[in-house]
Amino acid sequence: KQEVTQIPAALSVPEGENLVLNCSFTDSAIYNLQWFRQDPGKGLTSLLLIQSSQREQTSGRLNASLDKSSGRSTLYIAASQPGDSATYLCAVRPGGGSQGNLIFGKGTKLSVKP
Amino acid sequence: GAGVSQSPSNKVTEKGKDVELRCDPISGHTALYWYRQSLGQGLEFLIYFQGNSAPDKSGLPSDRFSAERTGGSVSTLTIQRTQQEDSAVYLCASSLGAGPGVLFFGEGSRLTVL
Repeated sequence: KQEVTQIPAALSVPEGENLVLNCSFTDSAIYNLQWFRQDPGKGLTSLLLIQSSQREQTSGRLNASLDKSSGRSTLYIAASQPGDSATYLCAVRPGGGSQGNLIFGKGTKLSVKP
Repeated sequence: GAGVSQSPSNKVTEKGKDVELRCDPISGHTALYWYRQSLGQGLEFLIYFQGNSAPDKSGLPSDRFSAERTGGSVSTLTIQRTQQEDSAVYLCASSLGAGPGVLFFGEGSRLTVL
């Protein structure tokens, strides 16, 4: 059974720091991995999607990497800003079975202090 | 519409009552997903619709839960005889096509069962 773990559960950093959020998954047979952001009381916003054949994706100050063989992904945020404060979730789409069943981690709650 | 729309945004009901939650996906998106987010838990897959295919209902927690999607667009999630453990935020998402791709989430319906 695929399980997704995110460490740490919470992180507080001063503005301007570069930071890394971690995601690990137990079964390397995945279609893709997606990072989301969730603001309090809101839905999820997709940040980056990495296909299983890819190693990384970049969007602005965000860079996500994928090491499928070791079951790990990282989300790197450069020059963090208070507006980056949110909960960050990673989710994997298993390689077999239903395409609808994304498996989510419980998230890392990020706080960027001005 | 411009985004995924869910209603109601908040619903308080008494134990034993039935509730209906509505999701209006992005126009043209053929795939629709329902997830549940409970306090302190990750997102839990409920059900997935793709075009005219039979829905994947493998995530529905009991036979009190059902969902339909009319005309390939709007979806309704129905919970019968609600229990306190049904209290959660119910999130709907849609995506373009059946292939693994970016999910767009609504802001959710927060259900509280007293």
